[in-house]
Amino acid sequence: GQQVMQIPQYQHVQEGEDFTTYCNSSTTLSNIQWYKQRPGGHPVFLIQLVKSGEVKKQKRLTFQFGEAKKNSSLHITATQTTDVGTYFCAGENSGGYQKVTFGIGTKLQVIP
Amino acid sequence: NAGVTQTPKFRILKIGQSMTLQCTQDMNHNYMYWYRQDPGMGLKLIYYSVGAGITDKGEVPNGYNVSRSTTEDFPLRLELAAPSQTSVYFCASSYSDMPQHFGDGTRLSIL
Repeated sequence: GQQVMQIPQYQHVQEGEDFTTYCNSSTTLSNIQWYKQRPGGHPVFLIQLVKSGEVKKQKRLTFQFGEAKKNSSLHITATQTTDVGTYFCAGENSGGYQKVTFGIGTKLQVIP
Repeated sequence: NAGVTQTPKFRILKIGQSMTLQCTQDMNHNYMYWYRQDPGMGLKLIYYSVGAGITDKGEVPNGYNVSRSTTEDFPLRLELAAPSQTSVYFCASSYSDMPQHFGDGTRLSIL
């Protein structure tokens, strides 16, 4: 079945440093979504990428979708303590809604 | 605008007991989902619904049941609680086949 791998599982950065998390799928995806979950909170939808090679930016966050639509990345420039949380990717296979598979998440800790 | 509301927020059950986790949304979304999240893990889809009267199994449906009699409500039922069902349960809704709005979650412990 479809697998979505996410690395790293944990990342500690000094405030002001950059951070990147990577998502890799075993199958070609129709689209990919990114979510952020604060400690003790619920997932919050950040963005969806659909097109091959797509790049989207949200302030200090840059999202990329690979040319082969099998990988994606989230890059945060100059991290802040408000960026603390777990970042999940979720890939949707061509099979439709039941084929959305979440990665295990990358837990980001920002050291002030 | 309340969004997605889940009740209860916390619950402790004994093995073999049953309970219903409630989920309601006020955004008129057709799509609704139930996920479980085990510690340090991602989200696993239990059941989903694409509209009132329509439900289907997700990745981990065993031990659970759902119904969707209205657009707003999507309750999740545990019939015979087992320790393996200790988890955090999230309900979500959206206009499309991509969960966008999550409730605050129900933290369920089965002892």
